[in-house]
Formats: sequence, C-alpha cells, structure tokens
Amino acid sequence: DTGVSQDPRHKITKRGQNVTFRCDPISEHNRLYWYRQTLGQGPEFLTYFQNEAQLEKSRLLSDRFSAERPKGSFSTLEIQRTEQGDSAMYLCASSPGTGGRYNEQFFGPGTRLTVL
Amino acid sequence: GQSLEQPSEVTAVEGAIVQINCTYQTSGFYGLSWYQQHDGGAPTFLSYNALDGLEETGRFSSFLSRSDSYGYLLLQELQMKDSASYFCAVINNQAGTALIFGKGTTLSVSS
Repeated sequence: DTGVSQDPRHKITKRGQNVTFRCDPISEHNRLYWYRQTLGQGPEFLTYFQNEAQLEKSRLLSDRFSAERPKGSFSTLEIQRTEQGDSAMYLCASSPGTGGRYNEQFFGPGTRLTVL
Repeated sequence: GQSLEQPSEVTAVEGAIVQINCTYQTSGFYGLSWYQQHDGGAPTFLSYNALDGLEETGRFSSFLSRSDSYGYLLLQELQMKDSASYFCAVINNQAGTALIFGKGTTLSVSS
C-alpha cells in the first residue's frame, strides 16, 4: 500500500494558463475525491468518482474546472484560464467504498497551485 | 446553508486532556468524522461516529449527539506531536461520499 500520490506537488502558473493535476489513488479503492483547501480553512469538496463515473460535482465548481477518471484508476483535474483565486492546495482522496472502513478517506499530499 | 462550527484555537500542556467541540447544521446527516492535519501535511482520518455515543481509539475518543447536532473529539495524555489542526467533517448523504469540513481547530501542545 503506497498511499495516494499526487503530481506535481507544486505548480506555479501565470493567470490565464491551463493546468492539469494527476492523482493516483490506493489501488483497490473505487472511490476518488477532489478537494480544494486554502490557508486557514478546511478542505472544500469539488467532485467525486466511483470507478470511472463522476457522480457528484460541487455547485461551487465553475465550468473552468473539469475532472476525469478514464479507466477508474488515476484521475486528472484540469483548470482552464486560471485566476488568482484558484491559488490553493488541491487534495485528492480515495476510499474503498465498501467494508469496515468505507467511510474513511485517505488523502494524498496535495498539489499546491500558485497563480501569479 | 450548511455549516460546522468548531473553536479556532486550543492550547494545552503535555499530559493534559483537551476536548474539541463541533456543532453542525447540514441538509443531511449520516455521520461525523474527525481528521488531523499537521502543517504541510495531508489530512488523516481519526474517527467516525454514525450513532450517538462515544467511540474510543487509543488516546483519542469521539462523541456524537445527533439530537443536539453536536460532537466532540477528546484527546488524552497529550503529546507534543499532537500539535496539529483538527477538522470535524459531516457525511451528508447516504452514499457516504462528500465530506463537509469545518474550518478546523489548531491545537498547540507545549511542554
């Protein structure tokens, strides 16, 4: 069990550029989540996948954000035309979905995005 | 709206006991979780309560009262390594999917 991994760990971009982040969940976990966290705040839910299906998306997520999980394994989160307000830590989490620990989410180390 | 309220900061000394309270107001409720996050680190799961009562896991215990929309995390025999942010989070749907997090409580443990 290598845990949830995210790439890159840090990203600095200029306003208006597109960025893409990758998340590799724990291999046997069929649920995958994306969150965003700003300084002094708790993680804010963005979207959720069960296998390859995107089943839930926050109303706070603008059209500039899109996420995929094409084969039910890794996931990508793309932000188009980045804005300074997008600067945050983007966290990915996974959970088994079944079994005694189905409600426990395992978080990755996050990707810190800075938009200049 | 949906909100979770918890104190912003708590301080204590090594060996002490602290209680971090959380009150919630959400559109649905299926359980209350607690996560720990060290500076620069990822949130890690501590506990989960779906039913009223106390759940104990080592030095940490968590309590839930659904009728009061209230829970707490109890940390005993505090150690310096317990200095971190603690978040309560509500699972608000039956699928047990998205977590709604509070703003977090920063715990500082001194010697």
